[in-house]
Amino acid sequence: DAGITQSPRHKVTETGTPVTLRCHQTENHRYMYWYRQDPGHGLRLIHYSYGVKDTDKGEVSDGYSVSRSKTEDFLLTLESATSSQTSVYFCAISAGTTYEQYFGPGTRLTVT
Amino acid sequence: ELKVEQNPLFLSMQEGKNYTIYCNYSTTSDRLYWYRQDPGKSLESLFVLLSNGAVKQEGRLMASLDTKARLSTLHITAAVHDLSATYFCAVEETSGSRLTFGEGTQLTVNP
Repeated sequence: DAGITQSPRHKVTETGTPVTLRCHQTENHRYMYWYRQDPGHGLRLIHYSYGVKDTDKGEVSDGYSVSRSKTEDFLLTLESATSSQTSVYFCAISAGTTYEQYFGPGTRLTVT
Repeated sequence: ELKVEQNPLFLSMQEGKNYTIYCNYSTTSDRLYWYRQDPGKSLESLFVLLSNGAVKQEGRLMASLDTKARLSTLHITAAVHDLSATYFCAVEETSGSRLTFGEGTQLTVNP
């Protein structure tokens, strides 16, 4: 157990509503990541953070924003959810010595 | 842009047989990671390969890395049902800090 929690674990929301997913770590690791997992695509990086207030875009960042105001929390926001954002979202952390990543339990998001 | 390809994407095998999953990548990298995912679960780290020629073994699984060929293999020896899962390789970008994942290989081991 790498000390990563995600909330909520499941969410159903309507198109056009804002949604925020939370990732919380207890390990004080520097790097945090948000991925989405869809059939046929593996895991795709949305955004990542390399420190408090330091974030960067990943491969599929359009429609998503992130914030990291504390080391332990990394928030992913869908400003106006669309059906194409229905997915399973995973948060991950790494210490940065190697970039081996440890994953949270995931959040299943359904946008209707 | 780093591309990571796994093959096969689907693998059905009998218990007791051997097989290899391949992970090819498109640009220079010295670090590669293998993960396992059970259905409906999160990803679990299996192997960390940090240099050319690295070989790691755990039980019936053995992973190796050839950075010159840009290839990693995950070899399964005498498969058992408990190995049924999806296996992902992930390559570290040269800038560090980010991994690019392959699409995953869904392994089913039949009695």
